Order: sequence, then structure tokens, then C-alpha cells
Amino acid sequence: DIQMTQSPSSLSASVGDRVTITCRASQSISSYLNWYQQKPGKAPKLLIYAASSLQSGVPSRFSGSGSGTDFTLTISSLQPEDFATYYCQQSYSTRYSFGQGTKLEIK
Amino acid sequence: QVTLRESGPALVKPTQTLTLTCTFSGFSLSTSGMCVSWIRQPPGKALEWLARIDWDDDKYYSTSLKTRLTISKDTSKNQVVLTMTNMDPVDTATYYCARTLALEEGRWFDPWGQGTLVTVSS
Repeated sequence: DIQMTQSPSSLSASVGDRVTITCRASQSISSYLNWYQQKPGKAPKLLIYAASSLQSGVPSRFSGSGSGTDFTLTISSLQPEDFATYYCQQSYSTRYSFGQGTKLEIK
Repeated sequence: QVTLRESGPALVKPTQTLTLTCTFSGFSLSTSGMCVSWIRQPPGKALEWLARIDWDDDKYYSTSLKTRLTISKDTSKNQVVLTMTNMDPVDTATYYCARTLALEEGRWFDPWGQGTLVTVSS
């Protein structure tokens, strides 16, 4: 199965900061990579699909890039509502897998 | 508007079989490209994909759990059912169902149900 590794596992940042989260796949997954945001007690929400496509209704401060094995999620200017846990997920293999999550906390 | 809602027991005993139902609206599971997946999340831990069923009744399972899982659909009722046998305390988790679109660009989960917490304890 394909393993997904996110870094960092946790991150402290301030409102207005630019933040980047990295996701690495154990083998090439082309652009079959999605990003989700999860807030405490809530279901995950799709942010980015196919590595760089912004889901409808998601603010443009979120962006995704990468292909092959290395991917990034960038938040250009952190807002208070962005403090949450972020997960990457591959769909290259029909046995989907998620990263372990990155918890974004307020500094 | 697409919505999904999970239902099932909140508490099961070890060795029992868990049956969860996902009831959805706003799409048809008989439409080409439509799928429904189950994903779980133990308390404080990461997401784990479990199973997927497609519009054409193709089924896919987690490698580590495939011997314990069965997914099925009732298109007329807009429901997808997941059964997991031989439940163990480590299976305690919030279980989510999510619509999955099978497109050329990939597959992603959107939207998700609110989730249902299942506790395994004697």
C-alpha cells in the first residue's frame, strides 16, 4: 500500500502568516492527491483535489502544488478560522490512504 | 444539495458484528462515476479509509481489513451499508461515509457525513 507522510506533524503560526504543509508519497502518485481540513468535532472538508484544483467555495488563500511524490499545501495569509488539522490523501491506488495529519495551532 | 448521514449502534461488544448505514440524498448511486466510501477515525488519531462501492457495484476494501468488511448498496433506498465482523476495542472510532466521485483527475471525498462514534467495549 502507498504510505503518505506529512510534515510537520504540528505547526504554530500567527494570523497573517504564510504557511506550507508538505506531503510525501512512498511512490509516485502523479497528481492524484487531495487535501482536507478538519476542525475539532467536525467531519473533514475537501480543500484541494487533483493536487492543485481549488474546491468550489474554498478561499483562494489556499493553494496546492506538486506531482509525483512531493506535494505542498500553502495558506497565503492565515485567518483565525484556518486553525485546524490538515490531511493529505492519495487516490492513485484504489486502496486510498491518508497522511497522519498536520495540526495548525495559534502561536 | 448533497447530504449523507451515518446511523448505527453507538456501542458494540467485542467479537460482535457492526452494521452501519449511510443514507444519502442529492445524488444517485446508479449514476456513472458515483461512489460512496467509508472512512474511520479513532479518537485523536488520523483518518483511515475502509471501503468503497461504485455505481456499477464494484467494491474495494482496505488491505488490512478486507477479511472483516462487507459493503453493499440499496440504490432504491439511497443507502450504503458497511458491516465489520469481529469487533475489537481498537475499532473504537468515528465512522464517516462520504460521496466519492470517480473522475479522470482522481477520486476524492466530498461531502462527508457528520460521522457516528462507535465504541467497542464489554
